[in-house]
Amino acid sequence: ILNVEQSPQSLHVQEGDSTNFTCSFPSSNFYALHWYRWETAKSPEALFVMTLNGDEKKKGRISATLNTKEGYSYLYIKGSQPEDSATYLCADLSNTGKLIFGQGTTLQVKP
Amino acid sequence: DSGVTQTPKHLITATGQRVTLRCSPRSGDLSVYWYQQSLDQGLQFLIQYYNGEERAKGNILERFSAQQFPDLHSELNLSSLELGDSALYFCASSERGVTDTQYFGPGTRLTVL
Repeated sequence: ILNVEQSPQSLHVQEGDSTNFTCSFPSSNFYALHWYRWETAKSPEALFVMTLNGDEKKKGRISATLNTKEGYSYLYIKGSQPEDSATYLCADLSNTGKLIFGQGTTLQVKP
Repeated sequence: DSGVTQTPKHLITATGQRVTLRCSPRSGDLSVYWYQQSLDQGLQFLIQYYNGEERAKGNILERFSAQQFPDLHSELNLSSLELGDSALYFCASSERGVTDTQYFGPGTRLTVL
């Protein structure tokens, strides 16, 4: 993988459903991975910064895992709520210091 | 409110002109980052400054330049503006480096006519 890829591009779920999305990144020269939550008409809000292979981080109902050897990270949302509706971005930081963003996964949670 | 401020909020200008966008980081943050988000592209990293020094450079055009001042505020200068430079420009700051959480400002919406 040469770029940061996120899947799916968009997701529609019902309130209460749990969901997850994937961020794939080049596994060579890995330094850190950032996850952001971006609501319409607002600024990106940092969720996690992950640096270690096998890292797991949690913030309320949202958690993330990291596999640097195979170059992917999963973001999980447990019991989705309408307020979780947003675009979730991941960004790969290589040892060049440049942050490369994926195109995002847009989540819509229906009440 | 992230604590990062950006001015102006909106800017409308003509092709060929030059503009300056300003960013004040959160109190105590040493790093400032600039990002561009245009309609047809995702969020693009432009440049990072750490304590007044350029630390990393992304896809920043030669017509664009930035600096970070001793009081740690930063300015992004865009010159010889083209229609394609119309975008939302975000500034973010972090305590130290790129493995720290980044806090984004509200953005400056630039429209080039």
